[in-house]
Amino acid sequence: AQSVTQPDIHITVSEGASLELRCNYSYGATPYLFWYVQSPGQGLQLLLKYFSGDTLVQGIKGFEAEFKRSQSSFNLRKPSVHWSDAAEYFCAVVGFGNEKLTFGTGTRLTIIP
Amino acid sequence: DTGVSQDPRHKITKRGQNVTFRCDPISEHNRLYWYRQTLGQGPEFLTYFQNEAQLEKSRLLSDRFSAERPKGSFSTLEIQRTEQGDSAMYLCASSLRGEGIYEQYFGPGTRLTVT
Repeated sequence: AQSVTQPDIHITVSEGASLELRCNYSYGATPYLFWYVQSPGQGLQLLLKYFSGDTLVQGIKGFEAEFKRSQSSFNLRKPSVHWSDAAEYFCAVVGFGNEKLTFGTGTRLTIIP
Repeated sequence: DTGVSQDPRHKITKRGQNVTFRCDPISEHNRLYWYRQTLGQGPEFLTYFQNEAQLEKSRLLSDRFSAERPKGSFSTLEIQRTEQGDSAMYLCASSLRGEGIYEQYFGPGTRLTVT
């Protein structure tokens, strides 16, 4: 069975500081990995995805993520956060031939001025 | 492309009542998914459709839940005899098989409160 762990429930960073959100997955084969962002009371917006190829993927809003098979990780990064990045971030995995996304429990990001 | 839409956005109902939610996917998308998200958790898969065929249902989808996609376009999710434990955000997503086949686009959700 596939699973996702996001070890950090809540992270606070200063505006302009760098950000890294952690994601570890469990899946028996090559996974397809995603990061979504959810603003309060809203649905989820896809930030980026990894299917294959280059392990460093670029997404929208200046985010990037790196797939590390040896560590079963897919951490999300941003070099300089903006106040508008405050939201809940979800990592998700799906396996080939499977249709259902399995999400982590999310990391809530707070930005302080 | 107007995105995935859901109606209503909020629903308050009394325990024991039936409720129905609607989802309109992105127009050319042939796959439609329902997820449920409770407070402090990530979304959990409920069911999905390929066109009008319901291909998979989660064990989370009890007999009180039924989903349809009669013409392969919009979908409805009905909950009968609601319970307080049904209070959650119900999210709909759609995707196009064959192009970014695992890329699911989500609607804004319907927040259900059962009193």
